[in-house]
Amino acid sequence: DAGITQSPRYKITETGRQVTLMCHQTWSHSYMFWYRQDLGHGLRLIYYSAAADITDKGEVPDGYVVSRSKTENFPLTLESATRSQTSVYFCASTRGRNEQYFGPGTRLTVT
Amino acid sequence: SQKIEQNSEALNIQEGKTATLTCNYTNYSPAYLQWYRQDPGRGPVFLLLIRENEKEKRKERLKVTFDTTLKQSLFHITASQPADSATYLCALGLNDMRFGAGTRLTVKP
Repeated sequence: DAGITQSPRYKITETGRQVTLMCHQTWSHSYMFWYRQDLGHGLRLIYYSAAADITDKGEVPDGYVVSRSKTENFPLTLESATRSQTSVYFCASTRGRNEQYFGPGTRLTVT
Repeated sequence: SQKIEQNSEALNIQEGKTATLTCNYTNYSPAYLQWYRQDPGRGPVFLLLIRENEKEKRKERLKVTFDTTLKQSLFHITASQPADSATYLCALGLNDMRFGAGTRLTVKP
């Protein structure tokens, strides 16, 4: 029972490169979320999805793209990475109107 | 703009005492408020959810209050233990959640 997994766990990339962070959940939860966590800002919502092919912007969506073709997967793409996108990224899921279950996080460094 | 403030960045208490963490918010009327625990290097873990029509909720040694007039939630851990040491996050809302920056609790033996 894997629950919710993220890959890679650590990533170093250069400014201007495209990078995709993967999130996979085994519960068939309808909702999935992407957050970033930075010192002094706490967790901030980037994008979320209520179901396959339905996505909505969160608090800080600029510079990010998401897609959700299958219920269990919710990849996050940085189309042209910038140093300000260096952060820890968390994926989460929920059935809806309930608590969220978080993945272990991906630590991304943009040099 | 919406603002969520957790009382302090760090709180140190002695084992056995009650830890009280505060979450204040402005320019927001959330129907739900949640508390999560986060250990270093790990994702947040859900603890409690309270609805706007509930004044108080308990789970084992944990208690949460939600005062929509004061725009404040209090989170209590009774009979605290060193294993309770972690960062505690309050979050407003359900699917479009907004998080506070967290309070790092250290329980000393």
